Amino acid sequence: EIVLTQSPGTLSLSPGERATLSCRASQSVSSSYLAWYQQKPGQAPRLLIYGASSRATGIPDRFSGSGSGTDFTLTISRLEPEDFAVYYCQQYGSSQITFGQGTRLEIK
Amino acid sequence: QVQLVQSGAEVKKPGASVKVSCKVSGYTLTELSMHWVRQAPGKGLEWMGGFDPEDGETIYAQKFQGRVTMTEDTSTDTAYMELSSLRSEDTAVYYCATDRSGSYVLDYWGQGTLVTVSS
Repeated sequence: EIVLTQSPGTLSLSPGERATLSCRASQSVSSSYLAWYQQKPGQAPRLLIYGASSRATGIPDRFSGSGSGTDFTLTISRLEPEDFAVYYCQQYGSSQITFGQGTRLEIK
Repeated sequence: QVQLVQSGAEVKKPGASVKVSCKVSGYTLTELSMHWVRQAPGKGLEWMGGFDPEDGETIYAQKFQGRVTMTEDTSTDTAYMELSSLRSEDTAVYYCATDRSGSYVLDYWGQGTLVTVSS
C-alpha cells in the first residue's frame, strides 16, 4: 500500500498570502492518479485537482497542482477567506486508493 | 451534474451490521464507478472500496476485506454499502463518491451518513 504523507500538519497564514502544501508518497505514483481535495467543517470533500495538475470544474485558478514521482504540491497563490479548510491528497495504485492525513490551513 | 443522496443516520450496537444507501441522479449507475469513503470524528478520510473499471469488479481496502460488501441496484440507480461486525471504532461519517472518468478521482460526493456504534 502506498502511504501518502502530507506536510505541514497545520499551516497558519493570512488572507492574500501564498500557501504551499506538500504530499510525499512512499513509492512512485502515476501523476494521472494523484488528486487533491478540500474539506470544510461539516461538509463533504470537494475535488480541486486531478491528474496532479488539472483543475476540476469550477475551481479558481489561484489553485494549482504540480509534481511527479513521489513529491507533489498544491499551491494556493493568494489566499481568500473561504480557502481556510483541510486539504487532502489522494492516489490510486495497485488496486488501492489511499489518502494523506491532511493539512489544516488556518487563519493566522 | 451528478447528485448523490444518502440514507439517514444510524445507531447500531457492537456486532451488528449497517447498510447505507446512496441514490444517484443526473447519471445512471452504469455510467459511474461508485466508491465509499469514511471519516471518523476529527480524523482524516479513509477509502473503503469501490468499482474498478479496469477489472470490472469491486475492489476493497485490505483493512475491510471480509467485513464490507458494496452492491448496486441499477433499476433504481442506488448503491449500497454494508459493513458487518461493527465495533466502536467504526463510528464515522460514511460517504459515497463517484468516479466518472474511470481514473480513480472522486468528483462528486454524497452528503454523508453518520453511523454511531454504541452499546
